[in-house]
Amino acid sequence: DVHLVESGGGLVQPGGSLRLSCAASGFNFNNYWMSWVRQAPGKGLEWVANIKTDGSETYYVDSVEGRFTISRDNVKNSLFLQMHSLRVEDTAVYYCARAVRCRRCPQYYFDYWGQGILVTVSS
Amino acid sequence: SYELTQPPSVSVSPGQTARITCSGDALPKKYAYWYQQKPGQAPVLVMYEDTIRPSGIPERFSGSSSGTMSTLIISGAQVEDEADYYCYSTDRNENYKVFGGGTKLTVL
Repeated sequence: DVHLVESGGGLVQPGGSLRLSCAASGFNFNNYWMSWVRQAPGKGLEWVANIKTDGSETYYVDSVEGRFTISRDNVKNSLFLQMHSLRVEDTAVYYCARAVRCRRCPQYYFDYWGQGILVTVSS
Repeated sequence: SYELTQPPSVSVSPGQTARITCSGDALPKKYAYWYQQKPGQAPVLVMYEDTIRPSGIPERFSGSSSGTMSTLIISGAQVEDEADYYCYSTDRNENYKVFGGGTKLTVL
């Protein structure tokens, strides 16, 4: 079974930093793109970032570009999200998700999700 | 930017058919994907590439697509289907990866 377990969340002041981790198991981590998706309290889902299988390509939503960095360790089957210059509006549950490609098109979508980890940005 | 539009809420009685729509300009060229999220839980994929049901999802879930609108159909909705449903897709150039605003399905 595919398992994704996030850790590293918590309370941080505006302007602070936090690093999220996601431990993956139950599949060949090296073969999959991975993503972070977040959900502000009481709000909808928002894609945050994607990373290619070997880490050579990364993509971000405009609102976190330059502040967040997605990375991975294929030896330890782990995904990371380094967050800097955090803002109140970054408060959300952050989900680690496995990304799979549409069978005959360039779209990637999310087939398995972790349970999520709460990040609260507040003074 | 790119947006997908969903109705905020849909309500049906048990056994009725629920239809949740998602509209977006790129949907004639791009697939829609659907996620079910129950309170306090992670989203679960219930439909991909417009019409394909993942393993383990009940047969009462189906999908359709026409023009700029994709639809998640729950035939014979059950009380346990009460949840928030989100569509997901991308713009034509894959620059924007977006979710719809979500639809709260009430079955009672």
